[in-house]
Amino acid sequence: DSGVTQTPKHLITATGQRVTLRCSPRSGDLSVYWYQQSLDQGLQFLIQYYNGEERAKGNILERFSAQQFPDLHSELNLSSLELGDSALYFCASSVGRQPYYEQYFGPGTRLTVT
Amino acid sequence: DAKTTQPTSMDCAEGRAANLPCNHSTISGNEYVYWYRQIHSQGPQYIIHGLKNNETNEMASLIITEDRKSSTLILPHATLRDTAVYYCIVRLSGGGADGLTFGKGTHLIIQP
Repeated sequence: DSGVTQTPKHLITATGQRVTLRCSPRSGDLSVYWYQQSLDQGLQFLIQYYNGEERAKGNILERFSAQQFPDLHSELNLSSLELGDSALYFCASSVGRQPYYEQYFGPGTRLTVT
Repeated sequence: DAKTTQPTSMDCAEGRAANLPCNHSTISGNEYVYWYRQIHSQGPQYIIHGLKNNETNEMASLIITEDRKSSTLILPHATLRDTAVYYCIVRLSGGGADGLTFGKGTHLIIQP
């Protein structure tokens, strides 16, 4: 158990809809990262927040957005969903903002878009 | 971040040491070598990281060559639960995007 929690575990929704994925980092961790894992693209970094502020962006689509709240939990919002958005979405946390801090991953949310 | 090359798959007998190689010939002086693993559809798990010196923790040992162009992750007594995809990642020590760049990794299969 990494100490990172994600809800829900599974989500099934239709194309065009909007969903919100939630992540609670490990106690004391200030950075939260979001990753997407699909069969054809592998694990891809989407976005990082550090202490409430956006820190780095990866391959995140404009239809996706995230935020980190004062209690440090984070939400990833996916809108205008397409079939290709079906994937595992992982959240990770680390203690600091620098790349040399190891990241601890949650169990993931499996999103299925039908 | 430097590119890494890993074998696609490897087998190891249960109870033996599993040695997973990684080439990172373009690594620069301020880049760390990280190892993560992912057991089927679970979240990736941090294993170990190092800069120059060899490192050991309760999970594994990391051996980095003197020229830092390659490294080996050693699982000293592999068990069936070590079957997973192992990712070698090289990252800057500061600046730039902070997300991990995962390649295809090595699928390690522990045989009973």
